[in-house]
Amino acid sequence: DTEVTQTPKHLVMGMTNKKSLKCEQHMGHRAMYWYKQKAKKPPELMFVYSYEKLSINESVPSRFSPECPNSSLLNLHLHALQPEDSALYLCASRQGYDSGNTIYFGEGSWLTVV
Amino acid sequence: GESVGLHLPTLSVQEGDNSIINCAYSNSASDYFIWYKQESGKGPQFIIDIRSNMDKRQGQRVTVLLNKTVKHLSLQIAATQPGDSAVYFCADSSMDSNYQLIWGAGTKLIIKP
Repeated sequence: DTEVTQTPKHLVMGMTNKKSLKCEQHMGHRAMYWYKQKAKKPPELMFVYSYEKLSINESVPSRFSPECPNSSLLNLHLHALQPEDSALYLCASRQGYDSGNTIYFGEGSWLTVV
Repeated sequence: GESVGLHLPTLSVQEGDNSIINCAYSNSASDYFIWYKQESGKGPQFIIDIRSNMDKRQGQRVTVLLNKTVKHLSLQIAATQPGDSAVYFCADSSMDSNYQLIWGAGTKLIIKP
């Protein structure tokens, strides 16, 4: 089983709203990721969690707030977003943070900020 | 920083023919390479990977070739089918980047009936 599950699949939010994206994996992976992907572009790394601790923050604006409640769950809290934040948000996981192993992606959450 | 590039943004192939998607990378220290397939509206799906101690690896209908001398990676898809239509991304990683993926720009594969 190489499944990473993301909810919701689609989200429309206003610029003053607070919402959250959720991600779950049960592969026992200890590294979890948030990526942002704009149309016709490759995914851009946002955050990396390793053993439930934030390891990498790629200078992401504070209106995006990640959270890793446990080794299987990863959230991305959204607040006061801008229309340019509309994108596909991808969660991914890998066995280890610094291993050259496969990173598996979820199907993504399509976010539209209005 | 390091980057991975692709030679062709779009590739059109006749159904049933073989497809070859190319990728160039710049970091000679890269030791892990991976191909993803991304269909419209979906997340990237793992296809095949290869480590730098190999120059060829085969999967089901797919083969990845690695030429470290010229820093070139290719994905070959045999007997291309309509379901192969997607954007294909290559990526590499190394200890230098803490094994975070460095992505290519993507190649859109179009299957002609």
